[in-house]
Amino acid sequence: GQNIDQPTEMTATEGAIVQINCTYQTSGFNGLFWYQQHAGEAPTFLSYNVLDGLEEKGRFSSFLSRSKGYSYLLLKELQMKDSASYLCAVRDNTDKLIFGTGTRLQVFP
Amino acid sequence: KAGVTQTPRYLIKTRGQQVTLSCSPISGHRSVSWYQQTPGQGLQFLFEYFSETQRNKGNFPGRFSGRQFSNSRSEMNVSTLELGDSALYLCASREHSANYGYTFGSGTRLTVV
Repeated sequence: GQNIDQPTEMTATEGAIVQINCTYQTSGFNGLFWYQQHAGEAPTFLSYNVLDGLEEKGRFSSFLSRSKGYSYLLLKELQMKDSASYLCAVRDNTDKLIFGTGTRLQVFP
Repeated sequence: KAGVTQTPRYLIKTRGQQVTLSCSPISGHRSVSWYQQTPGQGLQFLFEYFSETQRNKGNFPGRFSGRQFSNSRSEMNVSTLELGDSALYLCASREHSANYGYTFGSGTRLTVV
């Protein structure tokens, strides 16, 4: 079957660094996505990894290891506005996006 | 460039009724996907349309259907509504050849009472 696991909730302090992990088992692999979703809003694209390694984009970085079925999203210099749900999704071999249930991150002052 | 537009934003329906939700993709995007989001299950894939053809379907009962028009706008329909259909319904559009760039709309919040 298709399975994507990520922690349900995480908390962190403003200015800190947080790493959100995602492990996956899917029918094929055509890339891994991270989305941010604030309550009541649309998910917004953060990053895309299709090759192993680290992709850095400002305060956000995403890492992929295809052999381990593992990815993480790293958020640096946390700000209050980073409080949101973070969604890990894998595009399978039929081009469907398979999502995890999301990690709700709360940033405290 | 306008984003993905979903209407209506909120909807309350009674069990047994049917509902139609609309999604207008970003101009130039010909691929539209639909997802159901619930607190316990996360986002689950419903179906994807490209050039008015359904090219992919998730594991939902036949009560869930959709279609796409020649201008790429898409609708999804749910018949014989059940309480468990209460959810946020999201659509996403992308340029079909793009490896990424799925852009989501803000969703339609459906409540079945």
